[in-house]
Amino acid sequence: NAGVTQTPKFRILKIGQSMTLQCTQDMNHNYMYWYRQDPGMGLKLIYYSVGAGITDKGEVPNGYNVSRSTTEDFPLRLELAAPSQTSVYFCASSYSVGYGGDEQFFGPGTRLTVL
Amino acid sequence: AQSVTQLDSHVSVSEGTPVLLRCNYSSSYSPSLFWYVQHPNKGLQLLLKYTSAATLVKGINGFEAEFKKSETSFHLTKPSAHMSDAAEYFCVVSRNTGFQKLVFGTGTRLLVSP
Repeated sequence: NAGVTQTPKFRILKIGQSMTLQCTQDMNHNYMYWYRQDPGMGLKLIYYSVGAGITDKGEVPNGYNVSRSTTEDFPLRLELAAPSQTSVYFCASSYSVGYGGDEQFFGPGTRLTVL
Repeated sequence: AQSVTQLDSHVSVSEGTPVLLRCNYSSSYSPSLFWYVQHPNKGLQLLLKYTSAATLVKGINGFEAEFKKSETSFHLTKPSAHMSDAAEYFCVVSRNTGFQKLVFGTGTRLLVSP
């Protein structure tokens, strides 16, 4: 199993450009998540999905959109990139929870710079 | 509401000496608690987790943590540091029932010198 894979690894955008960060997992997990990590900070949840066709906002959703058409894929779309979106983006997945405490599996991250 | 405070942004130890990374939490619910490790330019990996079972939790690579409800703490320890332990460590809290959203601390960078 590859686990959680993310592409690209690095990207530089100009202000106002758009892009899609790709995330795929091969563990048949129902739950998927997008986080951003700013320097010296913990991870902040952007969006999450509890299954195909179902998404919801996290703590910091402004400027982003997501879709979940399949169990495996959970792309994150940035529209009109701004310097404040310079960050490292992590995708994660977990098995459906019965009682909480399930481990989240993380991808290697995408380092995005907006100039 | 839930929150996590990691009391040290940086911890420096010598190889072979004990490691202590401190974490206090606040939670309105019975919590699940986790420690994740992030090596440079890598994703996060789970070290260990507490989910209302045994209060002393053993994880990978010789790490362990003790849940102390009276002190609202979940400190991470290791008896003897190895050079490969140098990384960023995150303490994380979530609910232990229902759908979980993870709340991350700001991280502690562990430096290990020879």
